[in-house]
Parts: sequence; C-alpha cells; structure tokens
Amino acid sequence: VLLVESGGEVIQAGESLRLSCAASGFVFPNFALTWVRQAPGKGLEWVSSISGTGGSRYYAESVRGRFTISRDNSNNTLSLQMHNLGADDTAIYYCAKGGGDDFWAGYPGHYGVDVWGQGTTVTVSS
Amino acid sequence: QAVLAQPSSLSASPGASVSLTCTLGGGIDVGPYRIYWYQQKPESPPQYLLRYKSDSDQHQGSGVPSRFSGSKDVSANAGILLISGLQFEDEADYYCMLWHNGASVFGGGTKVTVL
Repeated sequence: VLLVESGGEVIQAGESLRLSCAASGFVFPNFALTWVRQAPGKGLEWVSSISGTGGSRYYAESVRGRFTISRDNSNNTLSLQMHNLGADDTAIYYCAKGGGDDFWAGYPGHYGVDVWGQGTTVTVSS
Repeated sequence: QAVLAQPSSLSASPGASVSLTCTLGGGIDVGPYRIYWYQQKPESPPQYLLRYKSDSDQHQGSGVPSRFSGSKDVSANAGILLISGLQFEDEADYYCMLWHNGASVFGGGTKVTVL
C-alpha cells in the first residue's frame, strides 16, 4: 500500500490550493479515505473523510465550507480543494487509507485509518 | 462535541510497562467506541498501532509488536494503550482517536520519553 501526496506549496493568505494523493497497492474503491493535518509543532487534526464510493463526505468544523474532498476511483486519486486559506491552515497534510477488510471498510470511521502517506506541506503566508 | 484528553508527556525506563490514557469528555461514554492508537516519531508520518473497543472487537496493526495492547477503564471513561517492556525505539508521540457523530477526533498526544 502506497499513498503519495502532492500539491503543497507556499501561498498567500486568501488563495486557493488543490492537494492530491495517488494511491496504489489496494482496491481503491473499497476503502474510505481521510485527510489529516499537523501544524508545525502541534498534534494531529482530522480534516475530512470520504466514503469508498465518494457519496458521503465529512468535514471538520474548521474547514467546512472552504475545503472539498473528492476522489477519482478510475485513477486511484484522492483530492482536497482548499479555498480562502489562512495562516491557521499552515500544516503538513497527510492522506490516509481507511482500515478494515470487509464491506464496512468503505465507510469512514468504521475502522479508523491504517496507512498514512508521507505528507505534503502547505504554508500560508500572510 | 467529543474531546479526548491525553497527558502531554510521560517518562519511563527501558523494560518498564507504561499505560497511556485517553480520557473522553464532552458527555460521551467510552463504552460504545472503538479507540484507535497511533505512534509518530520525529519527522515521520503517524503509524497505526491498534484499535480497541472490547476484547472481542480489537485489532492489531500489521507488524505491531504484541507488547502494544489496548484496553479501557470504564470507571475513568478512558481508553488505554499499554506498552509492556518499554524499549528505546518506543520513544515517540502517541495519539488516540475516535469517530463520533460524523467526525474523527484526535487527542492532543502523549510524548513518551525512554530514559
């Protein structure tokens, strides 16, 4: 299982950015996927999760209305579109695969996350 | 809103057994929840250790040593990660997590130092 994030960069406050996560090594549509971020020197913060089909999406209060999670099950890719970024969004953004190996693996939260990517760094300059 | 409280730090000697607590707040009881545990070493992404809901509903991460185990203290409303036979390589940050009302919540993390 491999998750490779990309798209992180230094941007100005108020701008938009799109992150991607390329996945391999597992049957992509069968698993929920999640974005988790970590601000410099801080703990982990859940950002958003999406079901295997893409039909259910969940967001942290801090990003709801500004971020959109999506997935392309034909290209094994997870994305996070981010708008109106602020200094508080500065963080390493990790893509993570949902756990489990049965029907419920496609549902976020049922089995947590079990594999993480290396992360991509977003720096918002004010 | 669910809140997970973890001690900020813990120190112990090699060979010791340590219990990391993850106390639930916000009016929710630990009983119905799966508690997930992650280990993060400096400059690395987190790694999944295990999940624990009950003795019949638990899962060990692939390749995770058996000296890492989970439990609950219902009286304290807490999930527990037990590390038996602490090793120098266990020095890391440890995070608990759960899924509640359509959202994941992480604890603030416990930094474990092996003296």
